[in-house]
Amino acid sequence: ETGVTQTPRHLVMGMTNKKSLKCEQHLGHNAMYWYKQSAKKPLELMFVYNFKEQTENNSVPSRFSPECPNSSHLFLHLHTLQPEDSALYLCASSPYTGELFFGEGSRLTVL
Amino acid sequence: AQSVTQPDIHITVSEGASLELRCNYSYGATPYLFWYVQSPGQGLQLLLKYFSGDTLVQGIKGFEAEFKRSQSSFNLRKPSVHWSDAAEYFCAVGVMNTGFQKLVFGTGTRLLVSP
Repeated sequence: ETGVTQTPRHLVMGMTNKKSLKCEQHLGHNAMYWYKQSAKKPLELMFVYNFKEQTENNSVPSRFSPECPNSSHLFLHLHTLQPEDSALYLCASSPYTGELFFGEGSRLTVL
Repeated sequence: AQSVTQPDIHITVSEGASLELRCNYSYGATPYLFWYVQSPGQGLQLLLKYFSGDTLVQGIKGFEAEFKRSQSSFNLRKPSVHWSDAAEYFCAVGVMNTGFQKLVFGTGTRLLVSP
């Protein structure tokens, strides 16, 4: 059982679709993150939210739009994606001490 | 900027044998260091962390890691590998900001365990 839950686990979308990934953490942490994991590449930090405020945007294209309505929920809104955006998207949260706790990921395939 | 190198893409170890996974980092200050494990189709699970103090840190599942500042290394070890340890292992170096951690990950080492 994980304290960070991601839905959906798998998503297939066309390039013109709009979809969203959801992340919920039950750990009482203050920070939440989106990471992208592509084959044969290191994990890439996309966004960081600390106490609901976005503190990091790692030059992510605007077709990815994050939303953090409260410290427990994080969304990643997707629109007009490209096939190269196909990847595993990992959500994580962390307490003040800094270690990250990851969800199981959302596997995205863009056709 | 900080970076992490995991020089071994794949490692095969016999069940019951010892394991050492290598990790070298680049960072100007005292680093926060982590090892994570990822099983197929799963997220990353924290094995252990080094923030300060004793340079030999113990983690879950019988893993340990040693921080060597002079070598900029943080190698992961386990004295006896079990088949269930087959997974991908990631080393990461962190920069602590106010209330959150920015982690930079290595490219991972895939561990295969032979009977």
